[in-house]
Amino acid sequence: DIQMTQSPSSLSASVGDRVTITCRTSQFINSYLIWYQQKPGKAPDLLIYSASSLHSGVPSRFSGSGSGTDFTLTISSLQPEDFATYYCQQTYSAPFTFGPGTKVDIK
Amino acid sequence: EAQLVESGGGLVQPGKSLRLSCAASGFPFDDYAMHWVRQAPGKGLEWVAGISWESGGRAYADSVKGRVTISRDNAKNSLYLQMNSLRAEDTAFYYCAKDMWSNLDGSGAFDIWGRGTMVTVSS
Repeated sequence: DIQMTQSPSSLSASVGDRVTITCRTSQFINSYLIWYQQKPGKAPDLLIYSASSLHSGVPSRFSGSGSGTDFTLTISSLQPEDFATYYCQQTYSAPFTFGPGTKVDIK
Repeated sequence: EAQLVESGGGLVQPGKSLRLSCAASGFPFDDYAMHWVRQAPGKGLEWVAGISWESGGRAYADSVKGRVTISRDNAKNSLYLQMNSLRAEDTAFYYCAKDMWSNLDGSGAFDIWGRGTMVTVSS
């Protein structure tokens, strides 16, 4: 099975800050890397698919990059509604594992 | 509007069975692969099982393999998860999710999620 790691596990940031979250996979996954945002008590929302493609309706301040085993989610200017937990997921091969999550909260 | 609505959760004793259902609407259900994802209270997301558009492909997490069966009825726009020999560690919120693609090989992202149904395994 493909193992996923995310760093940091949590971070504190201010509105307007640039935030970067990294995701690393234990095996090559090409660009089959997904990013989700989850707020408390809600289902996850799709942000980025195929490592760098922005899902419809997602603000352009979100961007993704990487391929192979190392990936990054960047929020260019953090907004109040962005405080949430972010998960990466690989869909290269089953089981389609998720990363442990990165919680972004207010500094 | 595309929508997924889960049902069937509840309190169940260890060793018993439960069947979850997911009703889809607002999109061509039989064009897409579907998945179940769970989240234990206060924990992260765990992919549980997936099924291709025509049920030819199915896959399971190691943690549930042999105890869980995913199925679908395209005529009824419905997805199911039959869970047997339930354990305390199966306690979680179970989400139904739509794949962006039709097959599980090189699966796509999960672009539509239901609100989830809670399963509690306890005596």
